[in-house]
Amino acid sequence: DQQVKQNSPSLSVQEGRISILNCDYTNSMFDYFLWYKKYPAEGPTFLISISSIKDKNEDGRFTVFLNKSAKHLSLHIVPSQPGDSAVYFCAASFTSGTYKYIFGTGTRLKVLA
Amino acid sequence: GAVVSQHPSRVICKSGTSVKIECRSLDFQATTMFWYRQFPKKSLMLMATSNEGSKATYEQGVEKDKFLINHASLTLSTLTVTSAHPEDSSFYICSAGLGQINSPLHFGNGTRLTVT
Repeated sequence: DQQVKQNSPSLSVQEGRISILNCDYTNSMFDYFLWYKKYPAEGPTFLISISSIKDKNEDGRFTVFLNKSAKHLSLHIVPSQPGDSAVYFCAASFTSGTYKYIFGTGTRLKVLA
Repeated sequence: GAVVSQHPSRVICKSGTSVKIECRSLDFQATTMFWYRQFPKKSLMLMATSNEGSKATYEQGVEKDKFLINHASLTLSTLTVTSAHPEDSSFYICSAGLGQINSPLHFGNGTRLTVT
């Protein structure tokens, strides 16, 4: 039972344009969501997070949107740069629990120069 | 801050041998660390939660006698893959957090284990 889903395994975007990565979850008890970026043979690097009390969080080129009613979050990267090419994972957690993160299956982003 | 170091980054071992992977929090103390495993082109699967000074909590389907976890100090957790088999070949990643609400986990760089 995949509680966190990223339905697009890959995405290609032209440099300078917006990248939109999507993530859906099924458990309404999740209250903390994160995006991680991962290069091959490396651990994930934290990008941005959002608590369920918010619907948007912005950090530089990265913005995460949360739609609780749809159980959907998205990561917007604008403008996209070639260095953004990586696999992006969304993760969900319960803050009242023990930091157990449930990860999505990842989306491979390729930014074309 | 919040740097997690994992060692070794890559290890090749023969079937039947045991391999130890170390995870250290370099600039903070972590009462809890997490061990993940990633299969090729798959998501990160939580294997176990490592608690300092007590037994690890394993996820369903993870053999605790095969994957021994020790969290002897606030900055070090180890994962030992015992009697390794080729199907144990995978990418293992540890993570730790600052223990604050709504603060993210930080990951080590992972260990690529190949069992021949």
